Amino acid sequence: DTGVSQNPRHKITKRGQNVTFRCDPISEHNRLYWYRQTLGQGPEFLTYFQNEAQLEKSRLLSDRFSAERPKGSFSTLEIQRTEQGDSAMYLCASSSTRLAGKNTGELFFGEGSRLTVL
Amino acid sequence: AQSVTQLDSHVSVSEGTPVLLRCNYSSSYSPSLFWYVQHPNKGLQLLLKYTSAATLVKGINGFEAEFKKSETSFHLTKPSAHMSDAAEYFCVVSEMDSNYQLIWGAGTKLIIKP
Repeated sequence: DTGVSQNPRHKITKRGQNVTFRCDPISEHNRLYWYRQTLGQGPEFLTYFQNEAQLEKSRLLSDRFSAERPKGSFSTLEIQRTEQGDSAMYLCASSSTRLAGKNTGELFFGEGSRLTVL
Repeated sequence: AQSVTQLDSHVSVSEGTPVLLRCNYSSSYSPSLFWYVQHPNKGLQLLLKYTSAATLVKGINGFEAEFKKSETSFHLTKPSAHMSDAAEYFCVVSEMDSNYQLIWGAGTKLIIKP
């Protein structure tokens, strides 16, 4: 399967713990996005990378959230000192500017990482 | 400012009958419009997209949508519903000049009755 892969698929943690999610995009895609989705809502944009550069991070929900894509391939999203309100599905998507040009609506999503904070 | 409104949170139809999922948008620019589908415990998948070419857009699984600028609508339709169409559907708008800004609707849950 050469789609977008996310790990772990499910994470249950206690409040105050740190969690990290990993995303492996489609290999030839240079853009990678992180979204958060809560029940009954559409995805909420968090941040995105073009290659290894994080081009937008002002939408990260707080300074407890950080993301990296050190080599322009896989990415990690870390949440420090988790709170119950962080419980959600965290979605990763990738795209290629060579295919979609500046129009980045054509995204390929992973199946998400579901976080439950007790 | 851009926005997307999906007019129904839930739509229930019988198998074999037509499907209509409604979406209205507002945009200051020439928008691109998309429909994504999310099956239970699955990732989001692009169903179809409008990018200023033909106003009637055909997508996967027999779905299509028509861009109507005068009505600022981009409704999703399918002539005959199948049980496998049961899922959540999201209407999305993107500004042509935006590198990342996608505005998502709240979603419409499609329920198929046997």
